[in-house]
Amino acid sequence: GAVVSQHPSWVICKSGTSVKIECRSLDFQATTMFWYRQFPKQSLMLMATSNEGSKATYEQGVEKDKFLINHASLTLSTLTVTSAHPEDSSFYICSASDHSYEQYFGPGTRLTVT
Amino acid sequence: GESVGLHLPTLSVQEGDNSIINCAYSNSASDYFIWYKQESGKGPQFIIDIRSNMDKRQGQRVTVLLNKTVKHLSLQIAATQPGDSAVYFCAAETGGSYIPTFGRGTSLIVHP
Repeated sequence: GAVVSQHPSWVICKSGTSVKIECRSLDFQATTMFWYRQFPKQSLMLMATSNEGSKATYEQGVEKDKFLINHASLTLSTLTVTSAHPEDSSFYICSASDHSYEQYFGPGTRLTVT
Repeated sequence: GESVGLHLPTLSVQEGDNSIINCAYSNSASDYFIWYKQESGKGPQFIIDIRSNMDKRQGQRVTVLLNKTVKHLSLQIAATQPGDSAVYFCAAETGGSYIPTFGRGTSLIVHP
């Protein structure tokens, strides 16, 4: 149980385009979802926290207009990287939490912006 | 704010040896600690956790030790196997925030 999936697992896009990453909780209802960013050989950096039906809470320094987060249902959250640039290339990881508040991590999405 | 770091970026061990990965945290109010394992190209995987009212917790082949006095915790892996090769992160939570702050990670390399 407690499986979180992400789609796509990797994506290459051109600079200036937007990319949407999906995060799904497959066998539980996620009241809260988290989005992290991870650069090579570095730790996970929390970008934002979202509760179903509410606006996401962004961490300091994260541009909310650039990283659009939607948590429309208890099983789906999306992260859209708008007007992507090469510096946005990174590994994006989501996690989902149910009423127990334990976090279950997705497998990550590798974004490369050319 | 919280900062969580690890003492060594890389740890190399021989298969069958015991591994010890260390972590220091800065916020004395941190009350919940988690160790994660991350394999290349994958998301973090929960290994074991410990609350601040404990100083030791054991799982299958893993033990976490917590020393609140010096704000230090360690992950011990017994009889390390090649499949244990990964990056290990400690994370700390404070006051029921349910949002862990991750440390930098230690890459564990197990030589057969």
